[in-house]
Amino acid sequence: SQQGEEDPQALSIQEGENATMNCSYKTSINNLQWYRQNSGRGLVHLILIRSNEREKHSGRLRVTLDTSKKSSSLLITASRAADTASYFCATDAGTGANNLFFGTGTRLTVIP
Amino acid sequence: SQTIHQWPATLVQPVGSPLSLECTVEGTSNPNLYWYRQAAGRGLQLLFYSVGIGQISSEVPQNLSASRPQDRQFILSSKKLLLSDSGFYLCAWTRGNKGDTQYFGPGTRLTVL
Repeated sequence: SQQGEEDPQALSIQEGENATMNCSYKTSINNLQWYRQNSGRGLVHLILIRSNEREKHSGRLRVTLDTSKKSSSLLITASRAADTASYFCATDAGTGANNLFFGTGTRLTVIP
Repeated sequence: SQTIHQWPATLVQPVGSPLSLECTVEGTSNPNLYWYRQAAGRGLQLLFYSVGIGQISSEVPQNLSASRPQDRQFILSSKKLLLSDSGFYLCAWTRGNKGDTQYFGPGTRLTVL
C-alpha cells in the first residue's frame, strides 16, 4: 500500500507567507524525501532527511521528521509565486530494488 | 552530469492502437529505471522497475509492458491501448542504493480517445 499521505491536499496562501505541508507514513523508514512537481512536468528532488535526523534545512525549506509519530513536515518560508507547485513526500520502505512510495501530494498555490 | 530524456512529450492515440514510450539516461551506468503513471491531480503509481538489462519487475497487473534492451534505455509498450491508459507517464532513475534520490524525466502526456 502507499506509504506517504500528504496533508492538506491543497493549500492557498499569499506571497510572503509561510507554507506548511505534512506527510504521514505507515512503516519504518531509512529516509524520507520531498519532491516538487510543476504542472505538467517531472518531479524534482528537494531534500532528503534520514531516520536519525530530526530537522534539515535547505535555503527557504525546512523539513522535520518525527519517527515516533511517523510524520514529516515541509515548511517553505517567505513563499513566492514561483513556489506554486505540487509537493510530494516519498519513503523508502517499498518492496523491490530501491523503490519509493510517493504520497498523493499537496497542491500549493502562492498568490502574488 | 546525468540527464534523462523521454519522448514523445505528448501523444494522442485511439483506443486499440499500440504504444511505445521511450526513456533514455545519459551520464551514468547501470541505473535502476522506473516507469510511473500519474492520473490528473493524483500521486504516482509505480508500473515497472528494472535493475539491469532484460530485468523487469511489474508492480501492478495491467495492459502495459516494459523492456530494457540497453543499459540506459527503458521502453513502455502496449499492444492495444485502453481509455484507462490515459495519463502522465514518468520515467525515473536512481543509482541503485536503497532510498536513493530518484531523478525524473519530463514526462509524456498520453491521451487515449
